[in-house]
Amino acid sequence: AQSVAQPEDQVNVAEGNPLTVKCTYSVSGNPYLFWYVQYPNRGLQFLLKYITGDNLVKGSYGFEAEFNKSQTSFHLKKPSALVSDSALYFCAVRDIGGFQKLVFGTGTRLLVSP
Amino acid sequence: DADVTQTPRNRITKTGKRIMLECSQTKGHDRMYWYRQDPGLGLRLIYYSFDVKDINKGEISDGYSVSRQAQAKFSLSLESAIPNQTALYFCATSDPGVSNQPQHFGDGTRLSIL
Repeated sequence: AQSVAQPEDQVNVAEGNPLTVKCTYSVSGNPYLFWYVQYPNRGLQFLLKYITGDNLVKGSYGFEAEFNKSQTSFHLKKPSALVSDSALYFCAVRDIGGFQKLVFGTGTRLLVSP
Repeated sequence: DADVTQTPRNRITKTGKRIMLECSQTKGHDRMYWYRQDPGLGLRLIYYSFDVKDINKGEISDGYSVSRQAQAKFSLSLESAIPNQTALYFCATSDPGVSNQPQHFGDGTRLSIL
């Protein structure tokens, strides 16, 4: 079965510093990977996806993610964190069956301090 | 995402009551989903619908039922609510026209069962 793991419940970073939110995956076949962000009292918003091609994927709000096949990872990164980036981040993988179902990780809370 | 509207946004009710959560969308998407979010567990799929005539159980469908009244409307019902169904519920949509399109989420319904 497809799965993703987010090993950190929370990541703390100071504003202006680079941030990384980790995600590893386990899939049968090609991985189709997604990152979503959830702000308080809001639904999930799509940030970026990896389907094929370049291992470095650029997305919304200055975020990017690096796909690493040998390490089965898809870490979310940003060169310079903002306080407004503080939110809950979810990694997801497309489930088998071709229906566009997603399997989500448990989420990582990012806290950016001023 | 304002194109996916969930009602109510908050609901407190008692054990044994029947509850309906509603979702409507203006995105014109055929595919709709219901998830529940619990702290530390991420999002888990309850039901999903290919189109008006196609409804499928997800990972945790026991205790829930759904109705797809139209392309734009997908309702989730708890026939006899129990306290462990207290959670944040999300509706989402996706467009089958292009593979690997992201899902679009409503802002959620916070449900508390006493």
